[in-house]
Amino acid sequence: GQQVMQIPQYQHVQEGEDFTTYCNSSTTLSNIQWYKQRPGGHPVFLIQLVKSGEVKKQKRLTFQFGEAKKNSSLHITATQTTDVGTYFCAGRYNFNKFYFGSGTKLNVKP
Amino acid sequence: NAGVTQTPKFQVLKTGQSMTLQCAQDMNHEYMSWYRQDPGMGLRLIHYSVGAGITDQGEVPNGYNVSRSTTEDFPLRLLSAAPSQTSVYFCASSSKPPGQNSPLHFGNGTRLTVT
Repeated sequence: GQQVMQIPQYQHVQEGEDFTTYCNSSTTLSNIQWYKQRPGGHPVFLIQLVKSGEVKKQKRLTFQFGEAKKNSSLHITATQTTDVGTYFCAGRYNFNKFYFGSGTKLNVKP
Repeated sequence: NAGVTQTPKFQVLKTGQSMTLQCAQDMNHEYMSWYRQDPGMGLRLIHYSVGAGITDQGEVPNGYNVSRSTTEDFPLRLLSAAPSQTSVYFCASSSKPPGQNSPLHFGNGTRLTVT
């Protein structure tokens, strides 16, 4: 089953509103990666977090890794229609197995 | 660079048929993997390989076989297709296993329907 829990499953926002998706694990992660999948497309790597409490920014996107390295979040400020898609977190549980969360599907109304 | 190439893009099978989904990468990546994507389930790892001649199971390996005879190719074989295998299949590669801080590069996917 899913080892990485991600919420919410869906989020509908008005263009200009903020958006946040959360990723939670019951065990400590060595790192966490975030991916974006546009409708009909394939997942594309966004960023990786490695250090406890790490915060990284990419323009309007802010990524955080929890102090205990068991949770992470992606926050988008002032969403745009180009942000539409599904956002996945993914983390490592043993040496070579990399598990994805169930994803958060974001819809942005213009 | 073509990156990760998957063929075919679409496939319809009847229950019991077998087929092979092809995956090739031209980035000299050691790590390759197969995921299936179902609504609400995210991406689930089927099989993976850390190099030529080495494969291992992911979280949903039943009904699938893989082999890795070359660094470039990592085919996924469905032995006897079942409706439960209807899904979108993604092949992904990275220079090192993802746990070693290496991002995954995905192919465009194969949409498989089993009737």
